Amino acid sequence: AQKVTQAQTEISVVEKEDVTLDCVYETRDTTYYLFWYKQPPSGELVFLIRRNSFDEQNEISGRYSWNFQKSTSSFNFTITASQVVDSAVYFCALSERRDTGANSKLTFGKGITLSVRP
Amino acid sequence: DVKVTQSSRYLVKRTGEKVFLECVQDMDHENMFWYRQDPGLGLRLIYFSYDVKMKEKGDIPEGYSVSREKKERFSLILESASTNQTSMYLCASSFSNRVGEKLFFGSGTQLSVL
Repeated sequence: AQKVTQAQTEISVVEKEDVTLDCVYETRDTTYYLFWYKQPPSGELVFLIRRNSFDEQNEISGRYSWNFQKSTSSFNFTITASQVVDSAVYFCALSERRDTGANSKLTFGKGITLSVRP
Repeated sequence: DVKVTQSSRYLVKRTGEKVFLECVQDMDHENMFWYRQDPGLGLRLIYFSYDVKMKEKGDIPEGYSVSREKKERFSLILESASTNQTSMYLCASSFSNRVGEKLFFGSGTQLSVL
């Protein structure tokens, strides 16, 4: 079973529309972290947010907001009033304790390609 | 800002060649990673290194090896490149091996094996 599921593969919106990117995760740990990264056409993954499992407060940063709900194991990302520069691939990722040494490993979802048209 | 630099943005190699992908980070990070990115599959971990000369297999290590002789440099080696290794390769680093550490990524190397 996938540990991080991003069911949407491609989303296309017109500029100024709001868009929500879904992320569902699976873990047996009580302590874990969730991340969102953005990958613009340049290729480098850019960190957007990190949230630990004990903090269910929603977060807002400018046009970006994140809704973390442990009850549904979801960590959704909303872009308000989207812009062309938001066009990118967005990845959700999970960090959890490992039986092996790689505790800082991130398990990624398959990514969502967002296209914002002018 | 942390800088993770991958030596090549695009690389074209022939089947059977030995290929080296190089990655350097400038922030004295303990951990370094090699991920592979394929359409529809997301990022998958190939190898991980938590100290100089220390390495651990990731989820898809077959056909790859790694080398970390110095803290700042982590190399991915394809001993005999095959066409199914055509992919985008992403290097990353993190400060420590704690759960929840942020990873910093390079810009990636798009490798084509013909």
